[in-house]
Amino acid sequence: DQQVKQNSPSLSVQEGRISILNCDYTNSMFDYFLWYKKYPAEGPTFLISISSIKDKNEDGRFTVFLNKSAKHLSLHIVPSQPGDSAVYFCAASEGTGANNLFFGTGTRLTVIP
Amino acid sequence: NAGVTQTPKFQVLKTGQSMTLQCAQDMNHEYMSWYRQDPGMGLRLIHYSVGAGITDQGEVPNGYNVSRSTTEDFPLRLLSAAPSQTSVYFCASRRLATGELFFGEGSRLTVL
Repeated sequence: DQQVKQNSPSLSVQEGRISILNCDYTNSMFDYFLWYKKYPAEGPTFLISISSIKDKNEDGRFTVFLNKSAKHLSLHIVPSQPGDSAVYFCAASEGTGANNLFFGTGTRLTVIP
Repeated sequence: NAGVTQTPKFQVLKTGQSMTLQCAQDMNHEYMSWYRQDPGMGLRLIHYSVGAGITDQGEVPNGYNVSRSTTEDFPLRLLSAAPSQTSVYFCASRRLATGELFFGEGSRLTVL
């Protein structure tokens, strides 16, 4: 059973606008969350993370929001750029040093120039 | 900066054949792992290792073997390939105390 869910397989956004990618999780023991970006024929690359002691973390154009009561997190990209077009994976674990990182199924973002 | 290197990038096998996917990292990471990516399933952990001589099973270990004789290398062995093992395989590594995984470029395996 999928413990991390990304219910939107794809998202299209105009260049310069905001992209919002959503992720839900079911395991209340998860307390560390990450977003990875993946281009075709490449491995996933780390984008941004957040621990459950925070509800927001920013890194440049990327912000992750965590709503623990709703077991929901989202990744905001502002402004979106064509180079952001990729598949985005949400991942979660019980602690930063956990042996298993659980991944969602990914959302394909297309930024239209 | 090599990072995590996987070979081969593509492989076609017949049912019942065996093969080894190679993974090497040059970042002196203690933790190494293998994931498989399937459509609609995300990435799922096959096996992992927290150091040389130590390995353990992940979510989907059946049909796969691993060993960790050095810090740098973590090969994944398929002893008798099955069509259900058709997938893209990713090796990843990290420092033990951190959560950020560094991934290789992936190995696409097709079992006929």
